[in-house]
Amino acid sequence: AQSVSQHNHHVILSEAASLELGCNYSYGGTVNLFWYVQYPGQHLQLLLKYFSGDPLVKGIKGFEAEFIKSKFSFNLRKPSVQWSDTAEYFCAVNARTGGFKTIFGAGTRLFVKA
Amino acid sequence: ETGVTQTPRHLVMGMTNKKSLKCEQHLGHNAMYWYKQSAKKPLELMFVYSLEERVENNSVPSRFSPECPNSSHLFLHLHTLQPEDSALYLCASSQELAGDRSYEQYFGPGTRLTVT
Repeated sequence: AQSVSQHNHHVILSEAASLELGCNYSYGGTVNLFWYVQYPGQHLQLLLKYFSGDPLVKGIKGFEAEFIKSKFSFNLRKPSVQWSDTAEYFCAVNARTGGFKTIFGAGTRLFVKA
Repeated sequence: ETGVTQTPRHLVMGMTNKKSLKCEQHLGHNAMYWYKQSAKKPLELMFVYSLEERVENNSVPSRFSPECPNSSHLFLHLHTLQPEDSALYLCASSQELAGDRSYEQYFGPGTRLTVT
């Protein structure tokens, strides 16, 4: 069965620190990859996505993620975090042959200290 | 209203009650989803409707009954729930085109359900 693993459940950073959140998935076929973010009191919303092409994907608010197929990874990065990046981040994978079933990771709670 | 809306936002119900959760999407999408979000667990897909037909039923107990009367509305009917069903129930929608299925989802704010 497909699964998504997010390595860190809680991350605390100071403003201006660099961020990298790990995401690994288990599925050998073609995938769509997503990072969603949930800011405090807000809806889950899409941060960035990968379908094909350049494995380095840029999203909103300065976030980027790199798809490394050989490592089954899709790590999220940001060079310099801000207090407003405090949120919960979810990695998600959709196997293109699997229809509508998107598998989500357990989430990583990021707290950025001002 | 824009995006995906859900009502009610909070619901407390007893184990013998019957209630319904409502979701409405204002995005013109053709697929709608129900998810369960429990503390410290990944989002669990419950049901998916595409073009008003159920295409995924993820081994959900029969005490949860979905209904999709049209492409904009999705309901989750609840009856004889258990305390472990207490969770945040999220609705989402996406626009899936033949040959270009992205499954990028737009989420509602959720209904916080407490079963007593």
